[in-house]
Amino acid sequence: DQQVKQNSPSLSVQEGRISILNCDYTNSMFDYFLWYKKYPAEGPTFLISISSIKDKNEDGRFTVFLNKSAKHLSLHIVPSQPGDSAVYFCAASVPNAGGTSYGKLTFGQGTILTVHP
Amino acid sequence: KAGVTQTPRYLIKTRGQQVTLSCSPISGHRSVSWYQQTPGQGLQFLFEYFSETQRNKGNFPGRFSGRQFSNSRSEMNVSTLELGDSALYLCASSAAHLLNTEAFFGQGTRLTVV
Repeated sequence: DQQVKQNSPSLSVQEGRISILNCDYTNSMFDYFLWYKKYPAEGPTFLISISSIKDKNEDGRFTVFLNKSAKHLSLHIVPSQPGDSAVYFCAASVPNAGGTSYGKLTFGQGTILTVHP
Repeated sequence: KAGVTQTPRYLIKTRGQQVTLSCSPISGHRSVSWYQQTPGQGLQFLFEYFSETQRNKGNFPGRFSGRQFSNSRSEMNVSTLELGDSALYLCASSAAHLLNTEAFFGQGTRLTVV
């Protein structure tokens, strides 16, 4: 049962254009969502996150949108750069009973982004 | 601030052996989680330790175990290695005493079982 899904295995974009990566989830208990970028043989690097009480969060070229009713989030990268080429993972977590972060992240399968010069 | 440090970076073991991987979290972080990444299964959660206690566990056999020390450093052990255990093992640390904090990952340990 895959609770976090990234249905596009790959995405190819021209430099300077917008990259849109999508993620769907099924568990309504998820309340915190994160995007990570990963290069081969390295650990994921945190990019941006969003709490379920928000519908948008921006950080420089990266914006994450959350649509709770549709259980869908997306990551927008504008403008895309060749250095953005990597695997992007969407992840989600639920709060623990004590109201603090729960150390378990559920990941999607990842989307390979290629930005062409 | 130093990041998450995992040792060793690469490891080759024979089927049936056991292996111990180490993770030093970011200073001040009390939560350490372990993940397995394989091409077919993606990033799968193994377990999380918080203040020396296992707080959550993923769906892995009992051959996979871990522990956390009083300085928050964590070790993961895999006994009776199988070929299918070949993977990138990632450790992540987080503050965890705050709501909604991100996890920071180490560079991983690439385990190859032959």
